Amino acid sequence: GQNIDQPTEMTATEGAIVQINCTYQTSGFNGLFWYQQHAGEAPTFLSYNVLDGLEEKGRFSSFLSRSKGYSYLLLKELQMKDSASYLCAAMDSNYQLIWGAGTKLIIKP
Amino acid sequence: GAVVSQHPSRVICKSGTSVKIECRSLDFQATTMFWYRQFPKQSLMLMATSNEGSKATYEQGVEKDKFLINHASLTLSTLTVTSAHPEDSSFYICSAREGTSGGLDTQYFGPGTRLTVL
Repeated sequence: GQNIDQPTEMTATEGAIVQINCTYQTSGFNGLFWYQQHAGEAPTFLSYNVLDGLEEKGRFSSFLSRSKGYSYLLLKELQMKDSASYLCAAMDSNYQLIWGAGTKLIIKP
Repeated sequence: GAVVSQHPSRVICKSGTSVKIECRSLDFQATTMFWYRQFPKQSLMLMATSNEGSKATYEQGVEKDKFLINHASLTLSTLTVTSAHPEDSSFYICSAREGTSGGLDTQYFGPGTRLTVL
């Protein structure tokens, strides 16, 4: 079956670095998405990876290994506003999104 | 975990026709369902929020007469794109929230429906 796994919750300190991991199993693969969602708001797009490697966008980076079915989202220089949930979603061969349950990131001063 | 399904997963239609997309919560009761539209490699755009038994609340700029939403039961919401045009071609995603406590951790997303209007 198709499945996405990511940790339920993580805690980190302001100014630090945190890595949120995601493993996926899908029928075919057309890319891996990361979204950020603050409580009560719609998710916002962070990144899209379809090739192996690291994509850097400011304080956020996303990594993909297709052979391992693995991705991570790296957040640097954490700020209090980064407290949110982070959703991993993989697109299968039918262009359907398989969603993870989200990782709630708590930032402490 | 909770599962949300959407049907159809993919639809191609002619301009001027109407298309209905179903969103179902399979193993929980969804008091609130959300409909999103996603453009390639971009964020999900919230179109409307629907609560079971009441009218949907549409986001600014979304035409309620064009995108009809019905949330007739605690497990089913439908989005009907009326008189579809090529610019309506997009990826439509629903999500369902269990209970009334709110918060992301009780919101589950469907797999999406890809609509192509010729």
